Amino acid sequence: GDSVTQTEGPVTLSEGTSLTVNCSYETKQYPTLFWYVQYPGEGPQLLFKVPKANEKGSNRGFEATYNKEATSFHLQKASVQESDSAVYYCAPHYNQGKLIFGQGTKLSIKP
Amino acid sequence: EAAVTQSPRNKVAVTGGKVTLSCNQTNNHNNMYWYRQDTGHGLRLIHYSYGAGSTEKGDIPDGYKASRPSQENFSLILELATPSQTSVYFCASGDWDNYAEQFFGPGTRLTVL
Repeated sequence: GDSVTQTEGPVTLSEGTSLTVNCSYETKQYPTLFWYVQYPGEGPQLLFKVPKANEKGSNRGFEATYNKEATSFHLQKASVQESDSAVYYCAPHYNQGKLIFGQGTKLSIKP
Repeated sequence: EAAVTQSPRNKVAVTGGKVTLSCNQTNNHNNMYWYRQDTGHGLRLIHYSYGAGSTEKGDIPDGYKASRPSQENFSLILELATPSQTSVYFCASGDWDNYAEQFFGPGTRLTVL
């Protein structure tokens, strides 16, 4: 079946350092790929999505490239801020309107 | 004006009791979803709906029922609540446009004693 694996958290970084959260999906199809972010006390919200292979998505300084060959969609940011502390979810959409959420990566940024 | 709202936001129930969680969306989306969120499991899909009158089983439907009486409303029903159903529940709406992007509500924290 289709599944997704992402960096196991929690991840703690210092402000100003770089971030990579790995995401790998297993599938024979080519899904649309999403990154969602969830701040404390809120529901998840879309960070960005990439519907096509080999294209890049970005928002708020975060970016990820849809790597069809490697079946990966790693989230990166060059310089994190304390306000980036949140849980990040990778989620492919294959069909039927259902997103397959990874287990989430909790990120904490120290000032 | 939040597009997806949930009620109640917090609920304490007793084992064996009936619990109904409600969700309303003003996005005019066809699809609606119920998830639960637990540490170490991320978001897991319980039930979903493609429109008024339709409900579909998600990945973990056991112990839950769903009802979609209208385009705007989607309820999750726990007929006989158990402590294992203590969790945070999220409702979401979405449509086939925008590649099935989903919009989430603020969540309901349910504690079953």
